[in-house]
Amino acid sequence: AQTVTQSQPEMSVQEAETVTLSCTYDTSESNYYLFWYKQPPSRQMILVIRQEAYKQQNATENRFSVNFQKAAKSFSLKISDSQLGDTAMYFCAFTSGTYKYIFGTGTRLKVLA
Amino acid sequence: DAGITQSPRYKITETGRQVTLMCHQTWSHSYMFWYRQDLGHGLRLIYYSAAADITDKGEVSDGYVVSRSKTENFPLTLESATRSQTSVYFCASRGGGRGELFFGEGSRLTVL
Repeated sequence: AQTVTQSQPEMSVQEAETVTLSCTYDTSESNYYLFWYKQPPSRQMILVIRQEAYKQQNATENRFSVNFQKAAKSFSLKISDSQLGDTAMYFCAFTSGTYKYIFGTGTRLKVLA
Repeated sequence: DAGITQSPRYKITETGRQVTLMCHQTWSHSYMFWYRQDLGHGLRLIYYSAAADITDKGEVSDGYVVSRSKTENFPLTLESATRSQTSVYFCASRGGGRGELFFGEGSRLTVL
């Protein structure tokens, strides 16, 4: 069965510092997509970054980047220069391209002033 | 406005009542989904639809019904609400070949 595990229920980081959120997954598929979604207090689910498994290069979006280790089935999110607006719940998600998306249980990140 | 919208945003109802949550998207995406979000569970799939008139169950479909007569609308009905259905419900659609889901703003449902 495909699974997604986020082992850090809560994290905090000082403003302007860097933080890394962990995500591991399990699948027997060779091609798939991985995502990080942000859910601020407004409840809206916002796509932060996506990674295609066949691409070796790690995805980056401004201050957000991933460390994708396919062999280790690891997909961590690094947030650089943390801002107060980054305070949110972050969800890691997986899909092999069918209808099925597997979400982790989330990491609550608090950015401290 | 383009996007995916849900209504109502907040709903309080009583046990045994029928409730319908609405979802409308303007992109003409083929796939649409309903998830529920509960603490400690992330998002769990209730139902999905691959196209108009094609729907199928997800992992937590008991007590829920969906329909999709038009591509843009995907309502979710709780036929007889129970307290265990108190949750935040998200509608989503999938567009193009990039695989990502686009979410509505969520509907918080409380069943008393």
